[in-house]
Amino acid sequence: DAKTTQPPSMDCAEGRAANLPCNHSTISGNEYVYWYRQIHSQGPQYIIHGLKNNETNEMASLIITEDRKSSTLILPHATLRDTAVYYCIVRVLNSGGSNYKLTFGKGTLLTVNP
Amino acid sequence: SAVISQKPSRDICQRGTSLTIQCQVDSQVTMMFWYRQQPGQSLTLIATANQGSEATYESGFVIDKFPISRPNLTFSTLTVSNMSPEDSSIYLCSESYRITDTQYFGPGTRLTVL
Repeated sequence: DAKTTQPPSMDCAEGRAANLPCNHSTISGNEYVYWYRQIHSQGPQYIIHGLKNNETNEMASLIITEDRKSSTLILPHATLRDTAVYYCIVRVLNSGGSNYKLTFGKGTLLTVNP
Repeated sequence: SAVISQKPSRDICQRGTSLTIQCQVDSQVTMMFWYRQQPGQSLTLIATANQGSEATYESGFVIDKFPISRPNLTFSTLTVSNMSPEDSSIYLCSESYRITDTQYFGPGTRLTVL
């Protein structure tokens, strides 16, 4: 499985952009990068995903490097409610090829400070 | 995304008993999954719930301990059998409309075993 590496924690000031890095140097050409977040043991919330191109939605932007070995999730104006654990995941086919697996690492605890 | 609900939201159980957790999706989906999140840990996939056939279990999880049913495209159950305190975790179900689609998670069931 393509593994990801994230810093264990980051701080961000309220109202500023939060830039969360992720390294996925063993990613294969057809594997997507997904980002989820988990707020205080609630169910993970989907944020965004991408393959090669940069992506943006109402929650965040995803910047993927040209070699696809790393990516950055950007929360443009962080609020206190964005405090959460952020997971960067490379979605891979399971061993039988019948569906896709999400393998969660430890993620990054983002703390947004007032 | 579909709306996912789980019952119960939390429970406290005695050692040696079993608990069945229900997951209901408000639309027909192809894929349903069950995850476990032990205290302070990340999510681990238990199994894929297959409609009309036996679930597909991940390494380290067995059907006798975690029997799963999926009678239709909107509903699944996970039973935690012969519980011990080590089974105290949050159990989460997730769904994706099609195999290639994004997974969305339910709110989770917080289980404490005494």
